[in-house]
Amino acid sequence: RKEVEQDPGPFNVPEGATVAFNCTYSNSASQSFFWYRQDCRKEPKLLMSVYSSGNEDGRFTAQLNRASQYISLLIRDSKLSDSATYLCVVHDTGRRALTFGSGTRLQVQP
Amino acid sequence: GAGVSQSPSNKVTEKGKDVELRCDPISGHTALYWYRQRLGQGLEFLIYFQGNSAPDKSGLPSDRFSAERTGESVSTLTIQRTQQEDSAVYLCASSLAGSGSPLHFGNGTRLTVT
Repeated sequence: RKEVEQDPGPFNVPEGATVAFNCTYSNSASQSFFWYRQDCRKEPKLLMSVYSSGNEDGRFTAQLNRASQYISLLIRDSKLSDSATYLCVVHDTGRRALTFGSGTRLQVQP
Repeated sequence: GAGVSQSPSNKVTEKGKDVELRCDPISGHTALYWYRQRLGQGLEFLIYFQGNSAPDKSGLPSDRFSAERTGESVSTLTIQRTQQEDSAVYLCASSLAGSGSPLHFGNGTRLTVT
């Protein structure tokens, strides 16, 4: 089983739609969680950290479910510019580096 | 301020040659990471430096790969006797404190082995 698993997609949604991605992780002792965004042929960029109580940044909401070992990202009112690959990132206790999921591709259509 | 800088941005080399990739992290960032991303694939961890601690080399795919870092500044990733399967984008990232802090990535070096 992969340490961090994501549905590769693509998720094709119309502008204005709400879309949600999940990411599961295997290590119950994982400490820190992030969502990164990667545009085609570009480097990943931090979208948001994920806090235990859940957090929101504008149209984006991130949640953590430790019992079921997954994190989620909800995007409301999708824009064309949201089209990208969304990477789930986890930091495990005892490992020094962050582990990246393979990403979920989102395509927002006009 | 300046971000993470990587050079060269593109490198084409012949199979069997050695290559050296360079990364300049953000000033003050004690942690530095190298990742590899093959076309259409996710990020593959290679190596991690944190301050003066011994680096975490657990992701290096073979002994042809090595990396060094001078103090808390520049890092070089060296690939010896390159193979076609080494073709990928090599991404460097730095973070303020390591161990779970968010990463800031450079633009990457696109390596093509012919």
